[in-house]
Amino acid sequence: QVQLQESGPGLVKPSETLSLTCTVSGGSISSYHWSWIRQPPGKGLEWIGYIYNIVSTNYSPSLKSRVTISVDTSKNQFSLKLSSVTAADTAVYYCARLVGGYKWGGLIHWGQGTLVTVSS
Amino acid sequence: QSALTQPPSASGTPGQRVTISCSGSSSNIGSNSVIWYQQLPGTAPKLLIYSNNQRPSGVPDRFSGSKSGTSASLAISGLQSEDEADYYCAAWDDSLNGYSVFGTGTKVTVL
Repeated sequence: QVQLQESGPGLVKPSETLSLTCTVSGGSISSYHWSWIRQPPGKGLEWIGYIYNIVSTNYSPSLKSRVTISVDTSKNQFSLKLSSVTAADTAVYYCARLVGGYKWGGLIHWGQGTLVTVSS
Repeated sequence: QSALTQPPSASGTPGQRVTISCSGSSSNIGSNSVIWYQQLPGTAPKLLIYSNNQRPSGVPDRFSGSKSGTSASLAISGLQSEDEADYYCAAWDDSLNGYSVFGTGTKVTVL
């Protein structure tokens, strides 16, 4: 059974870089689309981006200038970096894995989510 | 870059059928499949429907999805108390360099 677990600081200062890691167990990270999604408190879901086949990425147009998603195959992990954060980036951040193609599949395996607060 | 449009709320009594709409555009729902997620309070979303109307293993057949043009619907038949949750649609958008977009979310209340 595939399991995902997010980890990283729960508090980040404004203008700094948010860094999160998703550790994958029960399957190889070398295949599939691995995604990051976030949800501000009390609000809806927002897609951040994905990484596929270790090096291919696609990001939300609204976050593209600040986001980097990468994979560490030796640790079976993938990571999210979001630069120049503001209070608007405060959210629960989820990592997830896609089943099927990126145009028709769905996010079937999810981490439990981790709350990141941006505050000085 | 706009979210897909869903009604903020829907409700029904146990056993009833409830439908949730999801409205998009030609670049997302009009061109690609629709996905539906259920999010129970305090938990991660759960995949309910992908490729418009396919259910992953373990999802009850009370949940069904459909699509027509630039709109889609999720139907919950035989509503149960445990169906009280937030529901989100999603689709791939072909504009710009392509990206995934979620709906605004619908809170389903079981009366």
